[in-house]
Amino acid sequence: DAEITQSPRHKITETGRQVTLACHQTWNHNNMFWYRQDLGHGLRLIHYSYGVHDTNKGEVSDGYSVSRSNTEDLPLTLESAASSQTSVYFCASSEDPYSWTQYFGPGTRLLVL
Amino acid sequence: AQTVTQSQPEMSVQEAETVTLSCTYDTSESDYYLFWYKQPPSRQMILVIRQEAYKQQNATENRFSVNFQKAAKSFSLKISDSQLGDAAMYFCAYREGAQKLVFGQGTRLTINP
Repeated sequence: DAEITQSPRHKITETGRQVTLACHQTWNHNNMFWYRQDLGHGLRLIHYSYGVHDTNKGEVSDGYSVSRSNTEDLPLTLESAASSQTSVYFCASSEDPYSWTQYFGPGTRLLVL
Repeated sequence: AQTVTQSQPEMSVQEAETVTLSCTYDTSESDYYLFWYKQPPSRQMILVIRQEAYKQQNATENRFSVNFQKAAKSFSLKISDSQLGDAAMYFCAYREGAQKLVFGQGTRLTINP
């Protein structure tokens, strides 16, 4: 069955380190999204991509970067991790820009010490 | 910018009874989509129900239905015959065309046996 996976599921790192969170989907969806979830804020969009080599900033993009070299993957990189980036990160994908539904991965819990 | 507000941080209901979760949103657009997502303890985001703004008929999915009031910018979720498996965080979300999802802060629903 097609699916969307995230790795690692849990990560502890130190401030200043570079961290990359992986997202892989097997639906061949063009659109992929990264959100972070914090108490009291729901989910907020970090970056999104509508296809290979396309990337766009979301609501809370500072300190994060993404690259899209193929359809299946959208890795999220924290260039220099900060304690404020401790959060739960969700990746999502959808078939096209006007698709009804975004399908979410299981999430990655990141702790920055 | 579009905003989504869920004014009930927590709700509880007796098993087999009906509960309604509230959501309001702010937009100047006439064509958009609204969603309710469920997030159980596993953290996975699961689509519950969706509504196109141009449709006057309220969406229904089994025990889940919405009350969509476009003029009032209100989009409430009704869960009938509540079951223990319905316990979760529920997020209301707004989507305009090809743009990103904007989420509310969430409502934690508890089902009392």
